[in-house]
This record gives sequence, structure tokens and C-alpha cells, in this order.
Amino acid sequence: AQSVSQHNHHVILSEAASLELGCNYSYGGTVNLFWYVQYPGQHLQLLLKYFSGDPLVKGIKGFEAEFIKSKFSFNLRKPSVQWSDTAEYFCAVGTGGYNKLIFGAGTRLAVHP
Amino acid sequence: GAVVSQHPSWVICKSGTSVKIECRSLDFQATTMFWYRQFPKQSLMLMATSNEGSKATYEQGVEKDKFLINHASLTLSTLTVTSAHPEDSSFYICSAQRRDSYEQYFGPGTRLTVT
Repeated sequence: AQSVSQHNHHVILSEAASLELGCNYSYGGTVNLFWYVQYPGQHLQLLLKYFSGDPLVKGIKGFEAEFIKSKFSFNLRKPSVQWSDTAEYFCAVGTGGYNKLIFGAGTRLAVHP
Repeated sequence: GAVVSQHPSWVICKSGTSVKIECRSLDFQATTMFWYRQFPKQSLMLMATSNEGSKATYEQGVEKDKFLINHASLTLSTLTVTSAHPEDSSFYICSAQRRDSYEQYFGPGTRLTVT
């Protein structure tokens, strides 16, 4: 069965620290990859996406992610986090003609000033 | 652009009654809409995929007679929870996708509480 694993359920960082959130998926075919963010009390917003091409993709707010096909991974990174990055982050894999999304369990990030 | 709304944002109903949740794409035409369910502190689970003018496709384990989905126009999909029970209490989220696009835009969600 298809699945998405996010290794860190809860991450606590100080401002200016670097961030890396792991995401691995299991699916044998072609996938589209996404990272979504959910700020407290708000709806899901797209951070970045990968469909094809350059495996290093840049998103909004200084986030980037790297697709490593051989490792079935799509890790999210940010060199220096801010307090406003406190949110829940979801990795998602899209498959099939309608791009149905399978979400990881999410990672709660808390950034302390 | 690409705004998706849901109505109501929260609803409380009694066990045995039915509740309808609306999902609208406000500034684009959504040929495909998705319905998800999110339990507290858990991830989103896809319930069904609906395409305008055709029957919804339900994920394994989702009762199609309990969760009725209608996608009557390119801007509106509805989810009706029939004969709701307390175990149906959850956060229901919809998303909308343009034709030939793989990007989903999410609504703010509807909190359903069944008493």
C-alpha cells in the first residue's frame, strides 16, 4: 500500500536554527510531491511542489526541498527559521490521473524566540 | 486567486440527523474536488474524489451511502453526512483542483460535532 512517513512528529527550535524535516514515501510509480503548511487556526497552504525536472525545488518563505528518487525522499529544509514558522507541516504524495494525495502524519514545529 | 470556502465552518447536530457541508471554489472552476477527514492531531485522510457531473469515487472503507457527495457545478461540491453518529464527529476539509492541474487548493474546514 502507498504510504508517506514523516520522521519527526514534534520539533522544537530556536530562532535562526536550521530546519530539516524528513519525508519518505512508498510508491512504485510516478509521483508528484508536495509540502503543505498549516498555521494555527488556518487552512492548509502549499509551500512547494515537485512534478519533474530539477530535484531541488524552492518554495515560499525561504523553504526548499530536495527529491532523492533513489531514497524515495522529499525532505524539507530552511536555513534559518523564524518564530512565524511555528506551524504544522505535511508532506504529501500525489498519484494517479487525479493526483489523489496521501498525506504524512505531519510535523509540529515550534520556534522559540 | 484560488480561494476555496466551506460552509458552515462548524456545526453541531443531534445523532440521527443529516448535515450538509458545502465547498466552493470562489475564483476558479474546479473540475475535481476532494473531501478529506482529519482527526485531532492526525493527518488528513482522503475520503472521496468528485468530478463535476459524475459520481464520486470513494476510498476504501468510506461508506458511500453515509457520506453523500454531489459535485453539481464547477464551483460547488457538497458532502452530506447522513444519519450522523458521534463517531462521525471530525474535521472535514475539501480541496479543489483545476482541469489539467495537479495543485489542490484547500478550504478552511468544517468542524462537525454530533451529540
